[in-house]
Amino acid sequence: DGGITQSPKYLFRKEGQNVTLSCEQNLNHDAMYWYRQDPGQGLRLIYYSQIVNDFQKGDIAEGYSVSREKKESFPLTVTSAQKNPTAFYLCASSLQGGDTEAFFGQGTRLTVV
Amino acid sequence: GENVEQHPSTLSVQEGDSAVIKCTYSDSASNYFPWYKQELGKRPQLIIDIRSNVGEKKDQRIAVTLNKTAKHFSLHITETQPEDSAVYFCAASLRQAGTALIFGKGTTLSVSS
Repeated sequence: DGGITQSPKYLFRKEGQNVTLSCEQNLNHDAMYWYRQDPGQGLRLIYYSQIVNDFQKGDIAEGYSVSREKKESFPLTVTSAQKNPTAFYLCASSLQGGDTEAFFGQGTRLTVV
Repeated sequence: GENVEQHPSTLSVQEGDSAVIKCTYSDSASNYFPWYKQELGKRPQLIIDIRSNVGEKKDQRIAVTLNKTAKHFSLHITETQPEDSAVYFCAASLRQAGTALIFGKGTTLSVSS
């Protein structure tokens, strides 16, 4: 289903806990991205990675961390430092960076309880 | 950081009418401008894109125009149908430190029959 899989679909977290969102792709894409979607805010870039073992901060990286140890995987950790983590998180990948079509996963809805 | 402005935020049309959504961008080095459609509860999907060496591109009822001098681009949907109802996002490639897509805040299009 598009070759990019996010899990879980729904996630609940208690305040003060870190949580990791999974993103895996089998499209052999070099670039991967994390976006946060809030009503009326569009898609805001959290982190992106052009190649393995390299990543850059986006506009709203504070309170988040990522790793890119494998080409297929780009997990996002929402830390307790993120003040308002409840949101819909979308992972995407593209063949060669932002100049090529981005394919999105189905998203993870994170709720802090 | 770099940003993409999108207008209007909501657009209501009658079936068969045309719809136009406009975006402006700030990064003069941007060279790729895709449009995504997101239906309720689904992932964003590419509907059309344009590169900086082209002024206009058309695909059936959908067209995109680009004015690089003015740094704006537009989506045109003709003969709208109820199934066109969705949220539409424009995006521009970001050239800073590798590339990623920066998205506008989205336009909710409602087509009534």
